[in-house]
Amino acid sequence: AQSVTQLDSQVPVFEEAPVELRCNYSSSVSVYLFWYVQYPNQGLQLLLKYLSGSTLVESINGFEAEFNKSQTSFHLRKPSVHISDTAEYFCAVSKAAGNKLTFGGGTRVLVKP
Amino acid sequence: EAGVVQSPRYKIIEKKQPVAFWCNPISGHNTLYWYRQNLGQGPELLIRYENEEAVDDSQLPKDRFSAERLKGVDSTLKIQPAELGDSAVYLCASSLAGTLNEQFFGPGTRLTVL
Repeated sequence: AQSVTQLDSQVPVFEEAPVELRCNYSSSVSVYLFWYVQYPNQGLQLLLKYLSGSTLVESINGFEAEFNKSQTSFHLRKPSVHISDTAEYFCAVSKAAGNKLTFGGGTRVLVKP
Repeated sequence: EAGVVQSPRYKIIEKKQPVAFWCNPISGHNTLYWYRQNLGQGPELLIRYENEEAVDDSQLPKDRFSAERLKGVDSTLKIQPAELGDSAVYLCASSLAGTLNEQFFGPGTRLTVL
């Protein structure tokens, strides 16, 4: 069985500062990795995913995450956050994309002006 | 194009009462998922459908929870009777059939059991 740990439940950050959200997973088999974002009063939206190939993946709004197999991590980063990045971010793993997702507990990001 | 639609958005009931949630997936999506998200936690899968067949219901508490997707399109999740611990957000998601396909989530139904 897989499990996902998001070490930080809340991350306050000032606007235009960098942010890193940590995600570690455990699995006995190869996994696919995802970051989902949940804006206030909205459903979960896929932010980015790692399926294969380059270990560094990017989203259209400036986030990036790097798959590190040896450290079983998939940390999410953004060099400069905006107020609009205030949301809850969930890391998830799956043995096969489109199959069951196992989510971490989420990290709430609050961007302050 | 409409996303995943769920209703109601909010529901407050007393314990021991029944409750039902409805989900209409994105048109053409064969796979439908129901997740439960407890406060301060990530979503947990309850059941997954491929068309009208429940292919993974291992996490569904079958003593009080039931689900159906009779025509392979929309789905209903029911709890009878509800308990205090069932208070959570119930999320529906859908995807195209097969692997490597993104799951699209609805806004959820927030259930409060008093």
